[in-house]
Amino acid sequence: SQQGEEDPQALSIQEGENATMNCSYKTSINNLQWYRQNSGRGLVHLILIRSNEREKHSGRLRVTLDTSKKSSSLLITASRAADTASYFCATVTNDYKLSFGAGTTVTVRA
Amino acid sequence: NAGVTQTPKFQVLKTGQSMTLQCAQDMNHNSMYWYRQDPGMGLRLIYYSASEGTTDKGEVPNGYNVSRLNKREFSLRLESAAPSQTSVYFCASSALDTGIGGYTFGSGTRLTVV
Repeated sequence: SQQGEEDPQALSIQEGENATMNCSYKTSINNLQWYRQNSGRGLVHLILIRSNEREKHSGRLRVTLDTSKKSSSLLITASRAADTASYFCATVTNDYKLSFGAGTTVTVRA
Repeated sequence: NAGVTQTPKFQVLKTGQSMTLQCAQDMNHNSMYWYRQDPGMGLRLIYYSASEGTTDKGEVPNGYNVSRLNKREFSLRLESAAPSQTSVYFCASSALDTGIGGYTFGSGTRLTVV
C-alpha cells in the first residue's frame, strides 16, 4: 500500500487564487517532499521538509509538516495557468525509500 | 548537465518478450530508483539501490530484476513481459544520504505490452 495519500484528488481554481492540498502518511519519516508533474512529463522536485521542521517556503510555495498528525500541506499562492499539473507528496523513510501518494490534479482556470 | 537519462522513451513488447530499460545519472548520486506509474496510482517503487553494489526490493518487484552496473547506471529488466507491466517507468537518483536536495527523475519510458 502507498505511504502517502493526497487530498483532494482534484482541485479547480481561478487564476490568482490560492491552492491548498494535503497529504497524510502512515509511518515515521526522515523527510517529506512535494513534486509536480505536468501532463506526459517526468516529476520535478519542488520542496523538501525535514522531520524536525514545521514550515518551509520557496517562492509561492508554502509547506507545513505536522509529524504528530502525520500530515503535510502544500499551499500555492497566487496561482497561474502554468501551475496546472499533478502534485505528489512523497515520504522518505530512514532507509532512503521514497514513497508517493496518488497525487492531486490541479487545474488553474484563466 | 544531463541529470538522469532513460532509454528508450517508448517501447512496445509482445507478451513473453524480454527487455532492459537503461538509466544513467551524471550527478554522482549514491542512490538510484525505479518506479512505475499507472493511472490514478501515483508512483510505486519497484527496486532501489542505496549505493553501488546494493539493490533492494520496493513495493512491486515481482516480474522485474535490476542491476546496479556502477555508480552511474541502474538498469531494469523484464524477463518475460506481461500486459500488466504496461506502464510508464521512471528512474530517479538522489544524494539524500548527504542530506542535500530531493530526487531527480528521468523523463520516463512508456512501455506497452500487447
